[in-house]
Amino acid sequence: DGGITQSPKYLFRKEGQNVTLSCEQNLNHDAMYWYRQDPGQGLRLIYYSQIVNDFQKGDIAEGYSVSREKKESFPLTVTSAQKNPTAFYLCASSMIGTGRAEQYFGPGTRLTVT
Amino acid sequence: AQSVAQPEDQVNVAEGNPLTVKCTYSVSGNPYLFWYVQYPNRGLQFLLKYITGDNLVKGSYGFEAEFNKSQTSFHLKKPSALVSDSALYFCAVRDEGGLTGGGNKLTFGTGTQLKVEL
Repeated sequence: DGGITQSPKYLFRKEGQNVTLSCEQNLNHDAMYWYRQDPGQGLRLIYYSQIVNDFQKGDIAEGYSVSREKKESFPLTVTSAQKNPTAFYLCASSMIGTGRAEQYFGPGTRLTVT
Repeated sequence: AQSVAQPEDQVNVAEGNPLTVKCTYSVSGNPYLFWYVQYPNRGLQFLLKYITGDNLVKGSYGFEAEFNKSQTSFHLKKPSALVSDSALYFCAVRDEGGLTGGGNKLTFGTGTQLKVEL
């Protein structure tokens, strides 16, 4: 998990509330990613960013928003529009380039919405 | 579009025996292939990658993977399994063309639970 921190580890919210998950990296990586993990479904990409002040939607962006104001930080907001927000959320980062394609992951945040 | 299949939800093996976790992929260009391991309630840890070159790739913790272009496979192997290898394993693929369009966007398989028993 080294170099990427996510906080908090566990998060509980009531339905209808927005919640922001933190992700910080000190690896000097250009690209950052947010994934959602549900049992039996693997990882699904929510948003990614290759450069400050720019980001793209992944496969399941609806109900989520992000910002990239600093290279080191890529917070994810889970809005009340997300129908099934309870999940394990993983942040990752990587260099951009042919030989450095692997992504490095943070420890994750488990969000429970009731 | 790129995709990955991990045909086995779970693999059981006795400690000391060799293990194989299967992965097949589909990409339009040359593939970049990865294996990750996840322990309960933790993030994913990078094990190894294939970009180009030798078809047998060696990685962390004694794991290796064999790239087979004709069978579009990238199976993870270890000669002698340990109980501590028990975890969830993910295969991932990126199309070479992903460099220009989507950064390092990876597509992950659904994961294979490895259980190593004494």
